[in-house]
Amino acid sequence: GQNIDQPTEMTATEGAIVQINCTYQTSGFNGLFWYQQHAGEAPTFLSYNVLDGLEEKGRFSSFLSRSKGYSYLLLKELQMKDSASYLCAVREGKLIFGQGTELSVKP
Amino acid sequence: KAGVTQTPRYLIKTRGQQVTLSCSPISGHRSVSWYQQTPGQGLQFLFEYFSETQRNKGNFPGRFSGRQFSNSRSEMNVSTLELGDSALYLCASSLRVWDYSSGANVLTFGAGSRLTVL
Repeated sequence: GQNIDQPTEMTATEGAIVQINCTYQTSGFNGLFWYQQHAGEAPTFLSYNVLDGLEEKGRFSSFLSRSKGYSYLLLKELQMKDSASYLCAVREGKLIFGQGTELSVKP
Repeated sequence: KAGVTQTPRYLIKTRGQQVTLSCSPISGHRSVSWYQQTPGQGLQFLFEYFSETQRNKGNFPGRFSGRQFSNSRSEMNVSTLELGDSALYLCASSLRVWDYSSGANVLTFGAGSRLTVL
């Protein structure tokens, strides 16, 4: 079966660092994605990992450990506009999403 | 470059009716995927089309169907609507359907069609 787990909600302070974890158990693995979705808007692509290790892109970094079925998204220097839902997704053949983590950034 | 366009953006139907949603992918994108998004279940995969053929299907009942036209535009249909079908239906396009040679094959999403069933 397929199971992708993320925390439902997280709260962090502006300027801080937050780590959003994702664990997965899927029948196949061909890459892991992170998407950001602001309320009422379409999900937008943040990052892609297919090999173990850290991918850095500006304030956002994503890490993958295939042996542990684990990924995290790291957001640095948090801004109010980072308040959104963060979706972890695994590509088997199709792309399967977790339920998302609602991040609230407080002043 | 225009993004993924979904119509209608909002619609209200009653139980038992049927609905058709439309998706126009980014120009040059040939693969279209559909997802249902609800607060309790998150994004659930419905189906994926490429070159007018369904390539993948999620675990939804047969009331949910779709098709893709030769210009890559896609439609999905839900018949005999139930209250639980109320959701945001998202369409996403990509250059091609994923295979082992295609790398990330990032999906670009439309803004969705919000369906309310009364």
